[in-house]
Amino acid sequence: EPEVTQTPSHQVTQMGQEVILHCVPISNHLYFYWYRQILGQKVEFLVSFYNNEISEKSEIFDDQFSVERPDGSNFTLKIRSTKLEDSAMYFCASSERGTGMNTEAFFGQGTRLTVV
Amino acid sequence: AQSVTQLGSHVSVSEGALVLLRCNYSSSVPPYLFWYVQYPNQGLQLLLKYTSAATLVKGINGFEAEFKKSETSFHLTKPSAHMSDAAEYFCAVSTQGGSEKLVFGKGTKLTVNP
Repeated sequence: EPEVTQTPSHQVTQMGQEVILHCVPISNHLYFYWYRQILGQKVEFLVSFYNNEISEKSEIFDDQFSVERPDGSNFTLKIRSTKLEDSAMYFCASSERGTGMNTEAFFGQGTRLTVV
Repeated sequence: AQSVTQLGSHVSVSEGALVLLRCNYSSSVPPYLFWYVQYPNQGLQLLLKYTSAATLVKGINGFEAEFKKSETSFHLTKPSAHMSDAAEYFCAVSTQGGSEKLVFGKGTKLTVNP
């Protein structure tokens, strides 16, 4: 069964450092997403990506964050100058069509980011 | 703007008992509704989704949910709990033809006691 793959599963970084979280979406999917879940809080939408550009982003997704699809298979989230409050589980997801079109999103297992 | 409220952050049931996990939504336009499950150390897996075709939706692992527009609810049920159902359950909403994002509830952690 096809799945969304995220690496690494855990990442520890020092405050102020840059991190890149990696995701391989399901191959025939066209929409890609990043969500995050701070411990004990809701899963929050960060950004959606379609046709090689950001289609929607939340207030959380400020200039500190960027996404890229560097090749035909990978989808990355870059966090510049990490802060303690960036510590969270980051989920990548993909879907054939947008979730606003009656399509489920498939989620990866997440990357737990700890900023120290 | 859409929102989701899940009543009860923790629910505990005995094996074989009815499981009822509550979800209420707020949406100004017809919603799409989803239940996801997260087992320990795993990602989010879709249990079922409401897409306006039928108000009673059956999902995997014996779960089902009923969409009640008058109550703005989409509660998740299972007639008989199994130990393997222990997990965290998330209700989520998106809007038809609207935003691409899913808005999640806070989640309900289900414990199944032997």
